[in-house]
Amino acid sequence: QSALTQPASVSGSPGQSITISCTGTSSDVGGSNYVSWYQHHPGKAPKLMIYDVTNRPSGVSNRFSGSKSGNTASLTISGLQAEDEADYYCTSYASSGTLCVFGTGTKVTVL
Amino acid sequence: QLQLQESGPGLVKPSETLSLTCTVSGGSISRGTYYWGWLRQPPGKGLEWIGSIYNSGRTFFNPSLKSRVSMSVDTSKNQFSLKLPSATAADTAVYYCARHGGSGWTIFDFWGQGTVVTVSS
Repeated sequence: QSALTQPASVSGSPGQSITISCTGTSSDVGGSNYVSWYQHHPGKAPKLMIYDVTNRPSGVSNRFSGSKSGNTASLTISGLQAEDEADYYCTSYASSGTLCVFGTGTKVTVL
Repeated sequence: QLQLQESGPGLVKPSETLSLTCTVSGGSISRGTYYWGWLRQPPGKGLEWIGSIYNSGRTFFNPSLKSRVSMSVDTSKNQFSLKLPSATAADTAVYYCARHGGSGWTIFDFWGQGTVVTVSS
């Protein structure tokens, strides 16, 4: 099972919106309603931002939203803030046997 | 608030067994329908799910590591553990323990802070 493909980096200015893509196959992202997104500040524990494609856990800002089309899931951050600068990982249920496959990770830079 | 804390040697010699323990506080490992998982992040690389264990001892592993990994749970101590025998430099990583829930195997909602493990002689 290969890792899901994410862009290595995405950047934006404060207040702008950015979108991070997560591309898989019909055996994972395309065939699953179970896609989650994590924010990871280096040296800290990863934080769950989105689960089940579109749901936000309690306490997560509504500036974060998730969606999916075909084999690609997306995380959109609107009203970009300095504190959003971090690494972001998607993960999907995989029917092939891995159960849980992560994306390659995207570094978000706030200009 | 649920808290998880990893513990174990930070330096492991090649071919020896990498052993880590996760202690859960603020909640019982025996309650609920959650699994308890281990993940890792090698230097400069992304996150990788290693495997997860239920309070009954039932386990699920990443197929890429299944032949090498074992996990155990001690409900009396509210702990679960990871063992990775025959460690190599490729096992050098930050290791995290986390609560693993949801019906789709992608929800890790509480995490430990992570522990650095280096495999080197």
